[in-house]
This record gives sequence, C-alpha cells and structure tokens, in this order.
Amino acid sequence: QSAPTQPVSVSGSPGQSITISCTGTRGDIGGYNHISWYQQFPGKAPKLIIYEVSNRPSGVSSRFSGSKSGNTASLTISGLQAEDEAYYYCCSFASSYSYVFGTGTKVTVI
Amino acid sequence: QVHLQESGPGLVRPSGTLSLTCGVSGDSIRSETRWSWVRQPPGKGLEWIAEIYHKGNTNYNPSLKSRAIISMDKSRNQFSLSLSSVTAADTAMYYCGGQGGWYVDSWGQGALVTVSS
Repeated sequence: QSAPTQPVSVSGSPGQSITISCTGTRGDIGGYNHISWYQQFPGKAPKLIIYEVSNRPSGVSSRFSGSKSGNTASLTISGLQAEDEAYYYCCSFASSYSYVFGTGTKVTVI
Repeated sequence: QVHLQESGPGLVRPSGTLSLTCGVSGDSIRSETRWSWVRQPPGKGLEWIAEIYHKGNTNYNPSLKSRAIISMDKSRNQFSLSLSSVTAADTAMYYCGGQGGWYVDSWGQGALVTVSS
C-alpha cells in the first residue's frame, strides 16, 4: 500500500485560512470514513486533531476542520496562528485491514 | 486519562530482534481500546505498524507483517512489539498508542531505537 500524498509544505500569514490535501485511493481514503489528522511538533509525539473525517476531540480548537471528497481528504486551518506551525499527517484505514499515514505536510506561518 | 510509556533497548544489532514494551496506566488494557505501534524514522513521516484488540485480535502493516508480532500482557497492563531481522531501515522513534476508535487518541512519548553494529 502506498502512502496518501500530501503537499510537502503549505504556508500562510496569520489570520489566513489554509487547506492541506491528502490524496489516496479507493482502497483507503476513498473507501472509508475512518480518516484522522495529527499535528506533530519537532521532537514531540503526534496529537490527534481530527477523527472520522471531520470530528474534533475535546480541547482541539474549532479552527481545525476536516472534510473528504472522493479519494481526497482535507484539513483546513482557519485564522492561522503562529502556534499552528507544525507538521500535519493524515491517516486512513485501508482495505488490507491496516492503516496508512499520509506523507506529511509542514505548515509555516509567515 | 490514559498514560503510555515505551521501554526497551535503544540499540539493536543488525539481523537481531527489536523488542519494545508499552506500559499503560489510567486505563485497563482489558478495556475496549485497541493498542497500537507507530514508528517514525529520523526526519521522515509516520508509519503504522500494528494493532491489538483487547480480545487479542491483531492486525499488521502488510509490509511488516512477516517480521512483526504485537502481543499483550493483561496481568501487567502492558503490550509489546517484536520486530525480527532488523536492518538500518528499522532505525526510528517507536510510539505506542491507544485507539478509542479508528484513530490513535493517546500516545506515548516515543522510544528511539537505533539499529547498528
């Protein structure tokens, strides 16, 4: 199974909205709604920020939102803040009864 | 709130077996939670390795299935990962995690394992 493709980097100014795409196949993203997103700071463990396509865990800012269309999932960060500068990974359940992480995206606040 | 802590050797010889344990506190390993392992090579992305259900059912990354074994010890409230025939490509930060559903919602701090002679 191949990792869903994410842009290597996305940047935005404070207050702007950015969207990170995660493109897979019918065997993963396109076939299931078990899609999650993780935020990771350098040297730290990942943190769950979106699950089941568009649900936010308790305590996660409402500025984070998720969606899916066909074989592509998306994470949108609204009102971008300096503290959002991190790496972001999508993850999907896959038909081989396993999970596959996306390639990862570095978000830079300029 | 569940707390996870990885433990195990930080250095493994090539062709040897990597063994890690994840201690669980704040929750019973017998609960409905699934338990999993994820790794991250230095400077690279995340890779899912395996998961185990509270009833003992297991699932593996197809690319690692022939070398990986995930198990649990209910009496010690911990679960483990064994990865055989390791090479330098298995050098990574290894995270254990708890899954409330089809996602990892609790993570250990990670354990760096280096494969080198």
